[in-house]
Amino acid sequence: GQNIDQPTEMTATEGAIVQINCTYQTSGFNGLFWYQQHAGEAPTFLSYNVLDGLEEKGRFSSFLSRSKGYSYLLLKELQMKDSASYLCAVIDSNYQLIWGAGTKLIIKP
Amino acid sequence: DGGITQSPKYLFRKEGQNVTLSCEQNLNHDAMYWYRQDPGQGLRLIYYSQIVNDFQKGDIAEGYSVSREKKESFPLTVTSAQKNPTAFYLCASSEEGGPSYEQYFGPGTRLTVT
Repeated sequence: GQNIDQPTEMTATEGAIVQINCTYQTSGFNGLFWYQQHAGEAPTFLSYNVLDGLEEKGRFSSFLSRSKGYSYLLLKELQMKDSASYLCAVIDSNYQLIWGAGTKLIIKP
Repeated sequence: DGGITQSPKYLFRKEGQNVTLSCEQNLNHDAMYWYRQDPGQGLRLIYYSQIVNDFQKGDIAEGYSVSREKKESFPLTVTSAQKNPTAFYLCASSEEGGPSYEQYFGPGTRLTVT
């Protein structure tokens, strides 16, 4: 079966750095998305990785290792508004988008 | 401003009634999607449409129906056959029919059936 694993919940301190991991076992791989979703709202796009390596975009970076079936989202200089769920999604060999359950990130002052 | 609208934000229905959730986009996107989100679970695809007058079943299509008569609109009907209809429903669109393209989401409709 196809599976995407993310931690259910993480807690971090304002101003710190946090890394949210995503591991996947899918039938093939054609790309990986990270989305941010505030409670009760729509997901918004953060990043898309299809090649190995690190993609940096402001305070957020996303890393991909296809050989390890692994990605992480790195958030720097955490702000209270970063409290949200972070969703990992993988495009499989049939070009279907498989979603993880999301990681709820709680930021404390 | 381009975007996706869903209405209403909250919807309440009695068991046994059909209900239609609206989704409209003015992004000129070809592809549109309906997802269901339950607590502690990932998004699950109900139906998707890559072009007008064509749509495909997703992973959990049973008890749902859709239409795509216009490029801008992709309404979802939750029928009385859906066993557990209470959920958060998200509509999305993308430029092309494949998931390699970023999906833009509407604000969602929270449906409660009692």
